[in-house]
Amino acid sequence: GENVEQHPSTLSVQEGDSAVIKCTYSDSASNYFPWYKQELGKGPQLIIDIRSNVGEKKDQRIAVTLNKTAKHFSLHITETQPEDSAVYFCAASIIGNTPLVFGKGTRLSVIA
Amino acid sequence: NAGVTQTPKFQVLKTGQSMTLQCAQDMNHEYMSWYRQDPGMGLRLIHYSVGAGITDQGEVPNGYNVSRSTTEDFPLRLLSAAPSQTSVYFCASSPLQGGTQYFGPGTRLLVL
Repeated sequence: GENVEQHPSTLSVQEGDSAVIKCTYSDSASNYFPWYKQELGKGPQLIIDIRSNVGEKKDQRIAVTLNKTAKHFSLHITETQPEDSAVYFCAASIIGNTPLVFGKGTRLSVIA
Repeated sequence: NAGVTQTPKFQVLKTGQSMTLQCAQDMNHEYMSWYRQDPGMGLRLIHYSVGAGITDQGEVPNGYNVSRSTTEDFPLRLLSAAPSQTSVYFCASSPLQGGTQYFGPGTRLLVL
């Protein structure tokens, strides 16, 4: 089955700097790669996703890149703000076919 | 729309007790799932359902039971609680297996 590895487990950045979180997956058939943000005491919420027919997707300060050959994808947050502090999860699946498999999460701290 | 709702928010059980964690969604999603979240372990899939009357096991199903009699509801039953089941439990729903998941607020369970 699918296995998703996520790095780093913790990340501290200065406000205004960029943050990058990386994930690798094992099943070359996976075609859907979402990123979730979990704030303290809440359930995870989708922030951005990408499908395997696209190499990059942007939404304001957030972007995701996908390298199918290397089987890895990354989350990029630019101009970080204190409200970006949270736990971020990556996931992978074969959409319509398999459940989402999540990475172990990255705790991002943005220091003002 | 209330989205995905979970009850209770917090529960304390004694070893050997049984209980049911409730989950309901009002988005008419076919796919529902249960995850547990433990420190450093990410989100691990317990059970999932692709539609009413259909359930399947995830990564960590032992000690848990589910049923799906309606599209809206997906309760999770702990048959005989153990301290190892102390965790935060999240229910999620999606229009499609492996697609964007909408998470509930979680149930924090402590088994003594």
